[in-house]
Amino acid sequence: DIQMTQSPSTLSASVGDRVTITCRASQSISHWLAWYQQKPGKAPKLLIYKASILESGVPSTFSGSGSGTEFTLTISSLQPDDFATYYCQHYDSFPYSFGQGTKLEIK
Amino acid sequence: EVQLVESGGGLVRPGGSLRLSCAASGLTFSRHSINWVRQAPGKGLEWVSYITSTSVYTYYAASVEGRFTISRDNAKNSLYLQMNSLRDEDTAIYYCATDKYDSRGLLGGFDNWGQGTLVTVSS
Repeated sequence: DIQMTQSPSTLSASVGDRVTITCRASQSISHWLAWYQQKPGKAPKLLIYKASILESGVPSTFSGSGSGTEFTLTISSLQPDDFATYYCQHYDSFPYSFGQGTKLEIK
Repeated sequence: EVQLVESGGGLVRPGGSLRLSCAASGLTFSRHSINWVRQAPGKGLEWVSYITSTSVYTYYAASVEGRFTISRDNAKNSLYLQMNSLRDEDTAIYYCATDKYDSRGLLGGFDNWGQGTLVTVSS
C-alpha cells in the first residue's frame, strides 16, 4: 500500500505570506495526486487534481507541483480565508490514502 | 447544483450493524464512481471504500475489509455502506464523495462531497 506523508503537521503564518506544504508518497504515483482544504465542521473541498491542475473556482493563489514521489502545495499570498487544514491524497491505485494533514494557523 | 446527502448514522454498540445511505441529485449519478471517506473525531481523513458506476468493481480499506459492504442503486440515485461487526475505532463522520471526471475519463480527486453522517460506536 502507498503511504502519504505530509510536512509540516502545523504551519504558522501571516496574511500575505507565501507558504508551501510538502507531500511525499512511499512509491511513485506519477501525477495522481489531489489536494484538499478542510475547515472545522465542513466537508473537504477539492483544490487541485492531477498534481497541478486547479479546480474550477479555486483562487489562483493556490498552485500544485510535483510528480513521482514528491509534491508541493503553494499558497502565494495567504488570505484570511485560507487558514484551514490541508490534505494530500493519492489515487494511483487502491487502496487510496490521504496524508495526515497540515494545519495552517494564523501567526 | 450537485447535492450528496448522507443519512443513517447514529449510536451503535460494539459488534452491531448500521447501514449508511447517500442520496445524490444534480448529477448523472449512474456515470460516477463514488467513495466513502471517514474522519474520526479530531483526526484526519481516511478513505474507506469505492464502487464503480455500474457496481462491477468495489474496493475497501484493510481496516474495514470483510466487515463493510458498499453498494449502489442507480435507479434511486443512491449509495450505501453496510457496516457490520462495528468497533470503537469505526467512530467517525462518514462522507460520500464522487470521483472527478470529464468527457475523456477520470481526472481524479473527489469533487463533490456530502455533509457527512456521524457514526458513534460505544457501549
